[in-house]
Amino acid sequence: QQQVKQSPQSLIVQKGGISIINCAYENTAFDYFPWYQQFPGKGPALLIAIRPDVSEKKEGRFTISFNKSAKQFSLHIMDSQPGDSATYFCAASMEGNTPLVFGKGTRLSVIA
Amino acid sequence: KAGVTQTPRYLIKTRGQQVTLSCSPISGHRSVSWYQQTPGQGLQFLFEYFSETQRNKGNFPGRFSGRQFSNSRSEMNVSTLELGDSALYLCASSLSSGRTGELFFGEGSRLTVL
Repeated sequence: QQQVKQSPQSLIVQKGGISIINCAYENTAFDYFPWYQQFPGKGPALLIAIRPDVSEKKEGRFTISFNKSAKQFSLHIMDSQPGDSATYFCAASMEGNTPLVFGKGTRLSVIA
Repeated sequence: KAGVTQTPRYLIKTRGQQVTLSCSPISGHRSVSWYQQTPGQGLQFLFEYFSETQRNKGNFPGRFSGRQFSNSRSEMNVSTLELGDSALYLCASSLSSGRTGELFFGEGSRLTVL
């Protein structure tokens, strides 16, 4: 049972455009939602994270939007650059010693 | 500060064999988690160790096992390898066990089963 559903599987965006990756969850006990970025040949690395007490969090060109009622959250990459080309994973966790549950990932390609 | 180190980086095994993968966490990190990464399934949680105790276990068969040593280094073992075990195995460490600690991943051990 996939607890976090991520879409799209792959995404091609023009340089300077906006990349949008969406995730949805069912378990309302989730209360921590990080995004991880993975470059080829490397392990994932934390990019940005949000808790459900805020609807949006921005760090530079990266923004998480969170919709608690819809149980959805998304990553927006503004002014996308070729260096942003990577695989992005959304994740979720709940209170207690429970592991992060990851989405299946989105492969982003930013073309010039 | 050295990152998470995984060895070996690449290995090829045949069906029925067993394999042991090693992970050295960031100094001071007591939690080590293992994930299996495949193109179709993304990152799937295998298990987590904290202070030599298994804290959580994912939905994998008993052929997958792990352990953590007193210095926080961890190993995972897969016995009776199957073709479907071919994957990138990622180890991640964090300061504390549980959900909100940032996971620091190694570069993974890529296992190919022939």
